[in-house]
Amino acid sequence: NAGVTQTPKFRILKIGQSMTLQCAQDMNHNYMYWYRQDPGMGLKLIYYSVGAGITDKGEVPNGYNVSRSTTEDFPLRLELAAPSQTSVYFCASCNTAGIQETQYFGPGTRLLVL
Amino acid sequence: QKEVEQDPGPLSVPEGAIVSLNCTYSNSAFQYFMWYRQYSRKGPELLMYTYSSGNKEDGRFTAQVDKSSKYISLFIRDSQPSDSATYLCAMSDSNYQLIWGAGTKLIIKP
Repeated sequence: NAGVTQTPKFRILKIGQSMTLQCAQDMNHNYMYWYRQDPGMGLKLIYYSVGAGITDKGEVPNGYNVSRSTTEDFPLRLELAAPSQTSVYFCASCNTAGIQETQYFGPGTRLLVL
Repeated sequence: QKEVEQDPGPLSVPEGAIVSLNCTYSNSAFQYFMWYRQYSRKGPELLMYTYSSGNKEDGRFTAQVDKSSKYISLFIRDSQPSDSATYLCAMSDSNYQLIWGAGTKLIIKP
């Protein structure tokens, strides 16, 4: 089991460029999440998905888009990158929506927008 | 005012000491409380989960929730250098979305 994998590990973008952050899990989890983590701040939920074909906005969705065509994959799309999107992005998955369920996190993608 | 407040540290203690990490919160509807541990350049991993008030113990770790004071704590006994990490508290009301603290960086000196 690889768990939750994320690519790339690190990326530098110019203002206005676009990119897709990849996330995949091999645990057959229904629920998947995208968070961003800024220095000195807690994790903020960007988008989440309760299953293939179903996504919903979290706390900070502006400037991002997601899709969930399969159970395994949950890519995050950044359109027109801005310096405010400089952050560390984490993907997570869990088996059910129950808050007592462990969310398994990937290793993160560090994004720098210049 | 943030919904969840957590001192960012760093907190530096000698090996073998008892460590106390804390979070305060403002939303009285929170009833699910977690502690996650995050090593440098890694994703967070769940350490402890507590529902409502009370204590929960797991090996060297004890989680406490005081809902009357809106205060949660994580105690680490016999701290080890391998415990050096950032500890994040997270909590939720019934809608299952986690609200996270900023994290406390803990350093255990050998």
